[in-house]
Amino acid sequence: EPEVTQTPSHQVTQMGQEVILRCVPISNHLYFYWYRQILGQKVEFLVSFYNNEISEKSEIFDDQFSVERPDGSNFTLKIRSTKLEDSAMYFCASSPVMGSPIFGPGTRLTVT
Amino acid sequence: AQTVTQSQPEMSVQEAETVTLSCTYDTSESNYYLFWYKQPPSRQMILVIRQEAYKQQNATENRFSVNFQKAAKSFSLKISDSQLGDTAMYFCAQNYGGSQGNLIFGKGTKLSVKP
Repeated sequence: EPEVTQTPSHQVTQMGQEVILRCVPISNHLYFYWYRQILGQKVEFLVSFYNNEISEKSEIFDDQFSVERPDGSNFTLKIRSTKLEDSAMYFCASSPVMGSPIFGPGTRLTVT
Repeated sequence: AQTVTQSQPEMSVQEAETVTLSCTYDTSESNYYLFWYKQPPSRQMILVIRQEAYKQQNATENRFSVNFQKAAKSFSLKISDSQLGDTAMYFCAQNYGGSQGNLIFGKGTKLSVKP
């Protein structure tokens, strides 16, 4: 069964550093998403991406964040100048045009 | 603003019994989708079931079914014949905007299935 993959599974970084989280969506999906989940809290929508541009973003997705589809398979989330409060699980998801989002296993980001 | 509310932070059920998890939502959209996702200790988000708001028939997936009450904006999940592997956090979610994947999640219900 097709699946969304994410790398790395765990990333540790120092406050102020830049991190890039990587995702490979399911190959025939056209919508891509990033979500985050701070430990013990609910899952929060960050951004959706379609046709090589952002289609929707939440208030959390400020100038510190950016997304990119650098080639035909990868979808990345960049966090510039990380803060302690960016520590969370980051989930990538993808969906076909008329279908439910399928989530990847997540990347646990720890900012020290 | 759209909201999704899960009023039961924790629930427990005996193996083989039936349990119902509650969810209410608030939206001004006329066409939307509702979802239940399961998050086991691995923290993977697994789609359990989806309901399209314009469909009156309640969705079912094997042991999982929903009770969708559109007028009341209620969307509960029923798990029949509970199994130990059903132990997990369960999140209710609603989409917004043009894509099914722009989701607003509830805070979750932690379900424990006891042997």
